Amino acid sequence: DAGITQSPRHKVTETGTPVTLRCHQTENHRYMYWYRQDPGHGLRLIHYSYGVKDTDKGEVSDGYSVSRSKTEDFLLTLESATSSQTSVYFCAISESETGVTNTIYFGEGSWLTVV
Amino acid sequence: AQTVTQSQPEMSVQEAETVTLSCTYDTSESDYYLFWYKQPPSRQMILVIRQEAYKQQNATENRFSVNFQKAAKSFSLKISDSQLGDAAMYFCAYRILGNTNAGKSTFGDGTTLTVKP
Repeated sequence: DAGITQSPRHKVTETGTPVTLRCHQTENHRYMYWYRQDPGHGLRLIHYSYGVKDTDKGEVSDGYSVSRSKTEDFLLTLESATSSQTSVYFCAISESETGVTNTIYFGEGSWLTVV
Repeated sequence: AQTVTQSQPEMSVQEAETVTLSCTYDTSESDYYLFWYKQPPSRQMILVIRQEAYKQQNATENRFSVNFQKAAKSFSLKISDSQLGDAAMYFCAYRILGNTNAGKSTFGDGTTLTVKP
């Protein structure tokens, strides 16, 4: 299994509070991703990173920010959580183009409930 | 914008029979990988099979195989000799390899597969 750790795994927070989810990898992979999964929508890309301090928006980036100050860590922040951000959040990693498999590996998910 | 479409929200198959899950995608990129992932109730994302877009030969992994039609932008998954453990949600996805969007990935909305004993 790819070395990906998400924290926290479960969180309940109140509307309007800031929330940060952390993704830590031990694989030294170039790309890191944050997805959210909601019923009927599959996995939707929030933000992704193609290197330290290099990030780009995905299809559902509004209300979210990210930071990557080290290769191994990718943080997802909800500046002011809303009920619509209640979801399961997945972190994923992938090698650079010179890698062997270019497969996307997933963490175990973080369940976030905004009340 | 890149899109992935799985037109079958739900599919069912009898145990030991064969089922095919459909996937079409739309991209202007020329270099990419295609994947099928399985997600059981535990929510773990498990890679089933992957295909490099530049390879014409269809990928196979034991009972799983794909029918990759690059010109038609189609990437279907065939599961042979279906087993009860194959019951899960299946996601089709692709990952861009080169150019300005390198690394970017897109997933379909998933197909829920039920296996009947």
